[in-house]
Amino acid sequence: KQEVTQIPAALSVPEGENLVLNCSFTDSAIYNLQWFRQDPGKGLTSLLLIQSSQREQTSGRLNASLDKSSGRSTLYIAASQPGDSATYLCAAFLLPPQGGSEKLVFGKGTKLTVNP
Amino acid sequence: DAGITQSPRHKVTETGTPVTLRCHQTENHRYMYWYRQDPGHGLRLIHYSYGVKDTDKGEVSDGYSVSRSKTEDFLLTLESATSSQTSVYFCAISVGQEDGYTFGSGTRLTVV
Repeated sequence: KQEVTQIPAALSVPEGENLVLNCSFTDSAIYNLQWFRQDPGKGLTSLLLIQSSQREQTSGRLNASLDKSSGRSTLYIAASQPGDSATYLCAAFLLPPQGGSEKLVFGKGTKLTVNP
Repeated sequence: DAGITQSPRHKVTETGTPVTLRCHQTENHRYMYWYRQDPGHGLRLIHYSYGVKDTDKGEVSDGYSVSRSKTEDFLLTLESATSSQTSVYFCAISVGQEDGYTFGSGTRLTVV
């Protein structure tokens, strides 16, 4: 079964700390990977999209990398702020190894709390 | 989110009644999707559409049907709502399946 796993499930850090969120995926060819942010009771906001031909993308204090060979992606947040508190979701667009159509598979998210 | 709206935002309905949720886009994107989000399960695909009148099932399609008669509108119908369909429903759009997804703000549905 195709899976996307996010570790840790929850993370609490003091303001100003640099942090890394992890995402791993199994057994499939990957087309792209997208990181989202979700605030409580809200929809998903796209942060970064990494195409399969790319290794990383940057936006402001955020940097996402993709290592297809190891099946991993990381989201790096520099100089964290209380406003970064949210749940971060990664979603991988995967081609099943056994054939069939491609599909977007979501991880269950990392809930980040940045304390003032 | 800009370019994609869902209605209603909240709905409470009784078991056994039909319910229709609407997703409207102004981006003219080809692909539209319906997901549900539940604690412990994350986001799961219900149905998706790859063009007008072209739809396909996702991983949790039982009890749901969809229609897309215009590029801009994708409707999700719960034919006979059950308590297990209490959830938050999200619509998403993309230019192509390999492109990034844009999500709507969601519809919180409660079936009592």
